[in-house]
Amino acid sequence: SQTIHQWPATLVQPVGSPLSLECTVEGTSNPNLYWYRQAAGRGLQLLFYSVGIGQISSEVPQNLSASRPQDRQFILSSKKLLLSDSGFYLCAWSVSRGATNEKLFFGSGTQLSVL
Amino acid sequence: SQQGEEDPQALSIQEGENATMNCSYKTSINNLQWYRQNSGRGLVHLILIRSNEREKHSGRLRVTLDTSKKSSSLLITASRAADTASYFCATDQWGSRLTFGEGTQLTVNP
Repeated sequence: SQTIHQWPATLVQPVGSPLSLECTVEGTSNPNLYWYRQAAGRGLQLLFYSVGIGQISSEVPQNLSASRPQDRQFILSSKKLLLSDSGFYLCAWSVSRGATNEKLFFGSGTQLSVL
Repeated sequence: SQQGEEDPQALSIQEGENATMNCSYKTSINNLQWYRQNSGRGLVHLILIRSNEREKHSGRLRVTLDTSKKSSSLLITASRAADTASYFCATDQWGSRLTFGEGTQLTVNP
């Protein structure tokens, strides 16, 4: 069966520090991978998605970047965190099926607080 | 901008009652999905309904889709305290990624 791992669960970082959040998927090949951010009590904002190794699409211009060094690994990074980067970050994967968006499987999330 | 908008924003009911949440969207879709999120956790997929379907059932869940009105509803029958969570609709438009609404916070009181 497929599983998705996302860590850490909680992170407190000072403004200006770097960030690296990692997400890995097991039990599937060539998944579509996604990073979302969720503000408290709000919906999800898509940050990045990837349809293959080295292929990253950015949905929103921001202080963050993403990389996919391996088929089932997705990394969210920042060189210098801003206060506005605080939020709940969710990694997700889906089966790759052309232009159709099939159901997403989410990780357990990382609560990032930038102080 | 958000494609899907849930209504109501918050809903509080007693155990055993039915809970109905609605989702409206603006443009044509390929499919519509409902997700559940417990506080501080990731989202869990509940049900997917395609644009050529009108109704789907899964256990105590019933989802309807009216493409002429660009709306969907999620009905949870015989609710339980464990159903307390936020519920999100997500719309799949051709050529773009899933777009999530702001969610409905459901509280089921024991």
